[in-house]
Parts: sequence; C-alpha cells; structure tokens
Amino acid sequence: DGGITQSPKYLFRKEGQNVTLSCEQNLNHDAMYWYRQDPGQGLRLIYYSQIVNDFQKGDIAEGYSVSREKKESFPLTVTSAQKNPTAFYLCASSRSGHPPYGYTFGSGTRLTVV
Amino acid sequence: GESVGLHLPTLSVQEGDNSIINCAYSNSASDYFIWYKQESGKGPQFIIDIRSNMDKRQGQRVTVLLNKTVKHLSLQIAATQPGDSAVYFCAESAGGTSYGKLTFGQGTILTVHP
Repeated sequence: DGGITQSPKYLFRKEGQNVTLSCEQNLNHDAMYWYRQDPGQGLRLIYYSQIVNDFQKGDIAEGYSVSREKKESFPLTVTSAQKNPTAFYLCASSRSGHPPYGYTFGSGTRLTVV
Repeated sequence: GESVGLHLPTLSVQEGDNSIINCAYSNSASDYFIWYKQESGKGPQFIIDIRSNMDKRQGQRVTVLLNKTVKHLSLQIAATQPGDSAVYFCAESAGGTSYGKLTFGQGTILTVHP
C-alpha cells in the first residue's frame, strides 16, 4: 500500500541537541510539507518542498532545517536554536500542479524536550 | 495575510443528530477547499474536498457546501456517531506563487455523546 511514514513516533531531546525527524513517502508525490501542531492548536507550516533539491520556508522556519535530496524523503532537523521544540510534528505530501490536490499526512512524531 | 478561520471552536452533539461545522475564508482567489478529520495523537485524514466551480459535494454521510458569495464553507455530517468525535480542519488552496499549498484553519472539536 502506498503511504507516508514518519519515524520515530516519539522522540525525546535534551537541551542543546539537534534531532532529525524522518518522513518517507511512496506515493510518487512531488510536494512534501512539514507542520508543527501544539496542543489544542491548528497546523503551522515549517518548510515545504515542491520538487527535489528545492524547498521554501514556511511561517515558522526559525530553528529548523530540511533537505530534499530524494523525491521520497524530506527529513526535518530540529536544531538547538529552536527554543520551544516540544510539539507534535506532521509531515504531508501531495501531487503538484493544476488543479491543486489535497495532502496525505503521516501519523506524526511527538517531540519532547527533557 | 489571508487565512481560513472557523466560527466555532467546539461542537457537542448527541449520537444520531446531524452536525454542521462552519468555516470562513477571506481569500476570494481560493479555488480549492478540503476538510480533514484528526483523531487524538494521529495525523489528519482526508474527508472530502470541493473545487470552486461547485457549490455542493456529497460523500458517505458527509456533505460540503461552498458559498463563494459570502466566502463560507461548511461540513455536514449526517447521523453523527461517537467515532466521529475528533478535530475537524478546513483548508484552502492559497493560490498565486504558492499554488497548491494549503492554508489550514484552527479546527473545531466535535464531541459526540452516546
């Protein structure tokens, strides 16, 4: 079955550490996205990529970095510069082009700072 | 910037009732709208979408209505069941240079009482 896989499901980070969240899709989607969700809140866009080797900052990119070396993969690194990283992180992918298409979401990674 | 918002943050209904979740949008250029359901600790799941050349679309127990005149979107769930309890998000296509990128509303918490 095609889908989008995020790992790990739970992640604990110590102060000052960088951590990388994995996102892999086998849907042959061109576009991939990272969102952050805080308790009781909506989705806020961190980074997105519409094609391999290209990505753009979203609304809250500070303290995060991404790469898009392969179509299937869009890892997110939460750096030590992100002062409040505890949140639920969601990865999504979609077909690109006209007309727009809906997103397929992964099951999320819950990151906690300890 | 323009964004999508929801009128009601919470909605409580009795099992078997019909539910209506509302969403207002402000970008008159938006041409694609989508509803997602998110259960606790999971990623959002696609429910139904609608393009701006339509004003109504039906799925299984769900109907989406689009009123472009007043920039309003609604999701109707027939015969609501306890399994429908979740957070519901509307989203719109931003258009322009970010074509295909969705902007999400804050979400409505639907609670279904047996």
